[in-house]
Amino acid sequence: SQKIEQNSEALNIQEGKTATLTCNYTNYSPAYLQWYRQDPGRGPVFLLLIRENEKEKRKERLKVTFDTTLKQSLFHITASQPADSATYLCALEAGYALNFGKGTSLLVTP
Amino acid sequence: SAVISQKPSRDICQRGTSLTIQCQVDSQVTMMFWYRQQPGQSLTLIATANQGSEATYESGFVIDKFPISRPNLTFSTLTVSNMSPEDSSIYLCSALQGVDTEAFFGQGTRLTVV
Repeated sequence: SQKIEQNSEALNIQEGKTATLTCNYTNYSPAYLQWYRQDPGRGPVFLLLIRENEKEKRKERLKVTFDTTLKQSLFHITASQPADSATYLCALEAGYALNFGKGTSLLVTP
Repeated sequence: SAVISQKPSRDICQRGTSLTIQCQVDSQVTMMFWYRQQPGQSLTLIATANQGSEATYESGFVIDKFPISRPNLTFSTLTVSNMSPEDSSIYLCSALQGVDTEAFFGQGTRLTVV
């Protein structure tokens, strides 16, 4: 069955630095991969979708890479801000639905 | 984009009772789903809510425990039946406007069973 692994430990970085989050998966070759942000007490909010034939996708300060050989996606937030503090979820397509990783908690300190 | 309203946002229920969670989308969507998120865990898909027919359940989830309705393209309900403390969790409604597109989520229902 699909297995999705994200950094289990919280990531603490200083404001202005680049945050890099990792998503590794096994036993599957998804057609696309998505990243979501989840704040406490809220539902996930979509950030980026990257397809299997795309190496990299950007949106403002966000960048996602997708390496189907390594079965890995990297999620970068450049010039991080305290408002970026949240849990970030990696999700793989599973038919019409999504399979989610446990998420990585990011804390950006001033 | 789609905005999903989910209610109640939280509830505390007695064991053995049932709770129905409502999910209303502000526009027509092709697919609706129900997920469960236990503390510190990832979202787990419970079922796909099919309009006008029985929901499609994932392994480990059954209709008798989690009956789901979807009478039209914008509304769905999930009932958690005969609740036990193990059902304490956050339940999330999700929707897609098209295939291979972003998913929208409600704010979740935090359920505590005592």
